[in-house]
Amino acid sequence: LAKTTQPISMDSYEGQEVNITCSHNNIATNDYITWYQQFPSQGPRFIIQGYKTKVTNEVASLFIPADRKSSTLSLPRVSLSDTAVYYCLVVAYSGAGSYQLTFGKGTKLSVIP
Amino acid sequence: DGGITQSPKYLFRKEGQNVTLSCEQNLNHDAMYWYRQDPGQGLRLIYYSQIVNDFQKGDIAEGYSVSREKKESFPLTVTSAQKNPTAFYLCASSLSPQTYEQYFGPGTRLTVT
Repeated sequence: LAKTTQPISMDSYEGQEVNITCSHNNIATNDYITWYQQFPSQGPRFIIQGYKTKVTNEVASLFIPADRKSSTLSLPRVSLSDTAVYYCLVVAYSGAGSYQLTFGKGTKLSVIP
Repeated sequence: DGGITQSPKYLFRKEGQNVTLSCEQNLNHDAMYWYRQDPGQGLRLIYYSQIVNDFQKGDIAEGYSVSREKKESFPLTVTSAQKNPTAFYLCASSLSPQTYEQYFGPGTRLTVT
């Protein structure tokens, strides 16, 4: 069964690139990794999703190495509004039509002016 | 406007009472989810449903019950058997569990005294 581990917190200056890594042992070839952003007292918001190599959209990139034991969310040139908690989610098929959904405990990113 | 709604935003109950949290979506999504969030704990899956009249337990289902009589609705009942019910509850929906992003509602903060 998948277990996810993220750093508890990170600090970054405005304009820098930020990389947040999620470690996930024992995930299968087709298990997807998804990243969400959450502001206080709100529901999480989707950032990016992938299951291998590299995915890029207008706000972030997701890197998944060949061994798939980790994934890295990359936020280019962060601004103060990127201060939030970031979660990785692994969705693993556990057989018989069932899935295991495992969120990491979140990484609190603080962007400093 | 398409989206997912939860009501109420804040809910107060006395210990020993059952309470039902509402979740509605008009996104035509097949899958719906309930998560519990405690400070520093990330999101933990309570129940999820892939289709009407079917649902599956998540990691922390004890003391909770759900129903899925309509595609749009997935109410969660917090029973008196739940030992520590005070938490922030989040509902989400997606086209399917595996490959599609989840859309989250704004959450319900339940306080039981």
